[in-house]
Amino acid sequence: SQQGEEDPQALSIQEGENATMNCSYKTSINNLQWYRQNSGRGLVHLILIRSNEREKHSGRLRVTLDTSKKSSSLLITASRAADTASYFCATDADSWGKLQFGAGTQVVVTP
Amino acid sequence: DTEVTQTPKHLVMGMTNKKSLKCEQHMGHRAMYWYKQKAKKPPELMFVYSYEKLSINESVPSRFSPECPNSSLLNLHLHALQPEDSALYLCASSQLDRGLWNTGELFFGEGSRLTVL
Repeated sequence: SQQGEEDPQALSIQEGENATMNCSYKTSINNLQWYRQNSGRGLVHLILIRSNEREKHSGRLRVTLDTSKKSSSLLITASRAADTASYFCATDADSWGKLQFGAGTQVVVTP
Repeated sequence: DTEVTQTPKHLVMGMTNKKSLKCEQHMGHRAMYWYKQKAKKPPELMFVYSYEKLSINESVPSRFSPECPNSSLLNLHLHALQPEDSALYLCASSQLDRGLWNTGELFFGEGSRLTVL
């Protein structure tokens, strides 16, 4: 079963705009990770936020974590066409090694 | 070297064939993973190896047989597959720190796209 559910399922924006996507999960977690996947390619790790952290930044990415609401958000600022990809959150709630991915948000950034 | 290399990139096989997918990493990671991903779906965990021993099998059918010959290599042997097994198979690796008991960053290969006829 999927631990993380993401919304929206799809997002279409123009270059320069911000993109926000959300991830909700069901059980307590050790950490939550975000990955990007370009069409037909492997996944690339973006950022990891631990359960005792509330916010983390990496370049144009900002991740928040609210463990009381069991939710996380990923914000991409000043989006570029190269940000077009699917974005997945992932948690390892059950046990070590069982990193499980949410359904993903497909982001399209048009020039 | 921060790469995970998967071969072949594409594989077409019949239901009676035997084939193997291969994965290699030289980052010194002692955890390696196989995931299966169908189109427009998230990756689904299949197997996890830690210190070259199988530690997680997510109830995967026996027609998929994993093997970890050494700390750098991971194979997935395929036999008598069904058309519904057609998917992108992703290998990943990660550092292993059992003391923290949480899963860190996974490094993924580009995947092997499998078509079963």
